[in-house]
Amino acid sequence: DAGVIQSPRHEVTEMGQEVTLRCKPISGHNSLFWYRQTMMRGLELLIYFNNNVPIDDSGMPEDRFSAKMPNASFSTLKIQPSEPRDSAVYFCASSWFSGGTGDTQYFGPGTRLTVL
Amino acid sequence: QQQVKQSPQSLIVQKGGISIINCAYENTAFDYFPWYQQFPGKGPALLIAIRPDVSEKKEGRFTISFNKSAKQFSLHIMDSQPGDSATYFCAAIESGYALNFGKGTSLLVTP
Repeated sequence: DAGVIQSPRHEVTEMGQEVTLRCKPISGHNSLFWYRQTMMRGLELLIYFNNNVPIDDSGMPEDRFSAKMPNASFSTLKIQPSEPRDSAVYFCASSWFSGGTGDTQYFGPGTRLTVL
Repeated sequence: QQQVKQSPQSLIVQKGGISIINCAYENTAFDYFPWYQQFPGKGPALLIAIRPDVSEKKEGRFTISFNKSAKQFSLHIMDSQPGDSATYFCAAIESGYALNFGKGTSLLVTP
C-alpha cells in the first residue's frame, strides 16, 4: 500500500492567493483528518471526516479555510485568501474508525506551505 | 489550550543510554494514550500506545509507564540508538478520534 498521499509536498505562494492542498487516504479507510503543524502551536486537528462527512471542524481557524471530501479517495483543504500566518506543515491522516477508541491514524508526508 | 503537556522540549542522550520523555494531562475523559515518532520531512507514525487500565506497556526497547492517579505518562527508550533520533509526540484521545498532541520532544542520540 502506498500509504497516505499528499500533494503538493511544498507550496510557496503570495499573500492573498488561493491554496489547495490534496490528500488521498489509504484505500479502505473511512476516516480522514487534516492537521496543521507549527513550531508555536505544535500539531493541531483542523477537521475530521467520517464516511466522507465532516464530523468535527471546530479546529478550522477561520472562514478562509475550507475542506471537502467528495469521495472516499480524495480530500482537499483550501485556503482563500492565504496569509503569512498560514505558513505551516499540513498533514492529512486516515484511519479505519471501528467505533471504539484507539484506531491508528496513518499520516501522510505533509505539505509544507509558505505564504510570502 | 494545550491539553497534553510534554517535557522536555529537547533531549540529548548517549548511545546505549535511556531516553525518558514525560507527559501530563488534566482531562480524565481521555482513554487512549499513543506516542508518535516523527523523522524530518515525514509525517508522525504511531510508535506505541496504552490504555489507562494498564500501568505499563513494553514493545522492544520502548516502554510506556502510566500513572492514572497522577495523570502522567512517560516514554522510556532503553539502549537508545542514533537511529532513534527523531521528534516524539505524546497524545491523548477522548471520544475515539481526536488526537490531542503534546508539543513534542526532539531527541538526539549521540554515537
